[in-house]
Amino acid sequence: DVKVTQSSRYLVKRTGEKVFLECVQDMDHENMFWYRQDPGLGLRLIYFSYDVKMKEKGDIPEGYSVSREKKERFSLILESASTNQTSMYLCASTYRFSPLHFGNGTRLTVT
Amino acid sequence: AQTVTQSQPEMSVQEAETVTLSCTYDTSENNYYLFWYKQPPSRQMILVIRQEAYKQQNATENRFSVNFQKAAKSFSLKISDSQLGDTAMYFCAFMGASNTGTASKLTFGTGTRLQVTL
Repeated sequence: DVKVTQSSRYLVKRTGEKVFLECVQDMDHENMFWYRQDPGLGLRLIYFSYDVKMKEKGDIPEGYSVSREKKERFSLILESASTNQTSMYLCASTYRFSPLHFGNGTRLTVT
Repeated sequence: AQTVTQSQPEMSVQEAETVTLSCTYDTSENNYYLFWYKQPPSRQMILVIRQEAYKQQNATENRFSVNFQKAAKSFSLKISDSQLGDTAMYFCAFMGASNTGTASKLTFGTGTRLQVTL
């Protein structure tokens, strides 16, 4: 079974802090994704990557950046956290057009 | 850009009954995939069912089946013999299948919260 691991289940940060959300997958998937989930809005794509060092903006990239230095790891970075970035963050991976495999999510609170 | 619409924010069904969740989408692509994901309170996103657009036959997985109407761009999920464990958020999602070599991302609807009652 594919395992997608997100480093934290819950995270509390202060406004202005730099925040790193880490995601690791163990199936050599080429594609990795970061989504944000908010009530009533569903899941919205922040960034995705289809190869090492490659990245593409999703629908809501503002205020975020990503890093993919190794194939198995995809990091989401909040350069200066703000309260409107309080949300659930979901990482996912896949190979080509196969279904996405998701991590358990990180609930981030910015105070 | 693709859009996915789920017009039912919440639904309720009694145990052992059948319920249908609606989903419509908009795309100009001819080849694509459609998915239903389930998210129970544990927050884990679980794949329920997958449909390839080029297949006319509706996908089925045990108690879960879809009604895929390509011309109408409709993709509803039917849950038969509902169980308490089916209580969850259900998300409809679209994936384009154009062979550009880049990642095929999922576009999600806003979700339907399903409550199964005794």
